[in-house]
Amino acid sequence: DQQVKQNSPSLSVQEGRISILNCDYTNSMFDYFLWYKKYPAEGPTFLISISSIKDKNEDGRFTVFLNKSAKHLSLHIVPSQPGDSAVYFCAARPGNEKLTFGTGTRLTIIP
Amino acid sequence: DTGVSQNPRHKITKRGQNVTFRCDPISEHNRLYWYRQTLGQGPEFLTYFQNEAQLEKSRLLSDRFSAERPKGSFSTLEIQRTEQGDSAMYLCASSLEHGRAPYEQYFGPGTRLTVT
Repeated sequence: DQQVKQNSPSLSVQEGRISILNCDYTNSMFDYFLWYKKYPAEGPTFLISISSIKDKNEDGRFTVFLNKSAKHLSLHIVPSQPGDSAVYFCAARPGNEKLTFGTGTRLTIIP
Repeated sequence: DTGVSQNPRHKITKRGQNVTFRCDPISEHNRLYWYRQTLGQGPEFLTYFQNEAQLEKSRLLSDRFSAERPKGSFSTLEIQRTEQGDSAMYLCASSLEHGRAPYEQYFGPGTRLTVT
């Protein structure tokens, strides 16, 4: 049972444009959501998070939006840069417990 | 700044052998997690410790797997009688947790295990 789903395995975006990565979840106990970025042969790197009491969190070029009624969150990257090319994982947790990850979206930024 | 470190980075072993991995968390972090990642999948939870206490183990963690965190500092993950299906990236993460307030987990570079 996949409780966190990333339905787009890959995404290509022109440099300078907006990248939008999507994530859906099914477990209503999840109340904290995170995005991680992963380069090959490295561990995931924390990017940005959002608590279920908010619907938006922004950090520089990265913004995460949470729609609790739809059980959907998205990560916006503006403007996209070549260094953003990586695999992005959405993760969720109930309170301070373990993370449940999605399967990832490979983002390629085209120069 | 010393982040989460894992050793070894790569391990190749023959089926049936035992292997042990080590994780050193960020020094002030009280929580330590082990995850496993296979190709095309996200990390899957294996087990976690709060200080030296092992609080939860996944059903993925068969009796061939054992994890310890003596003295609440570094942790080891041992796999006995390795099988080819154990081939994966083993990731360690740590966090500083107080009560129910959620904190980010910071990951190490992983140990890639190949069982031949």
